Amino acid sequence: LAKTTQPISMDSYEGQEVNITCSHNNIATNDYITWYQQFPSQGPRFIIQGYKTKVTNEVASLFIPADRKSSTLSLPRVSLSDTAVYYCLVGVLNYGGSQGNLIFGKGTKLSVKP
Amino acid sequence: NAGVTQTPKFRVLKTGQSMTLLCAQDMNHEYMYWYRQDPGMGLRLIHYSVGEGTTAKGEVPDGYNVSRLKKQNFLLGLESAAPSQTSVYFCASSYVTQRSPQEQFFGPGTRLTVL
Repeated sequence: LAKTTQPISMDSYEGQEVNITCSHNNIATNDYITWYQQFPSQGPRFIIQGYKTKVTNEVASLFIPADRKSSTLSLPRVSLSDTAVYYCLVGVLNYGGSQGNLIFGKGTKLSVKP
Repeated sequence: NAGVTQTPKFRVLKTGQSMTLLCAQDMNHEYMYWYRQDPGMGLRLIHYSVGEGTTAKGEVPDGYNVSRLKKQNFLLGLESAAPSQTSVYFCASSYVTQRSPQEQFFGPGTRLTVL
């Protein structure tokens, strides 16, 4: 099973770009990398997903190097409302669900200051 | 759409008692999941289901049972609760494709305390 490692916490200021890296050294060939955001007393919310190279959507970018042993979530121009815990998720459930697993990292608490 | 709902929101049990947590989704998703979240541990997958009548074990299945009798519902049971099962439990659902895990939609969580 892939094991994921993330920084416990990060601080930033409004308007800055924030990069959060997740290490997943034993990622499997079929595993995807997904990032979630969680606010206190709420369930996680999907941000972005990728398999390799770069993926961008309206809120974030995801950079995955060729060896796929790490991934970096990039949040452009953060605001106070981006203060949350960010989780990377590695894994896949094979079609039919007979095997596979989904492993969340322990999360990175991002604090955005004015 | 209500999305994913969980019942109850809070519960306190004594060691050895049993209970069932209910998860319901109205998005017609095939996949459903149960996670537990403990301080400093992130989310850990307990069990999941790829469709009505099917279930599979995740990372930490011991002490839990699940059932998926209806597509929209996924039940998590604790037959004999232990203090180690004190946690926040999250249910999630997603639609299915052959090639990748899709976006999971999470419920608001159930906070369970076992004394």
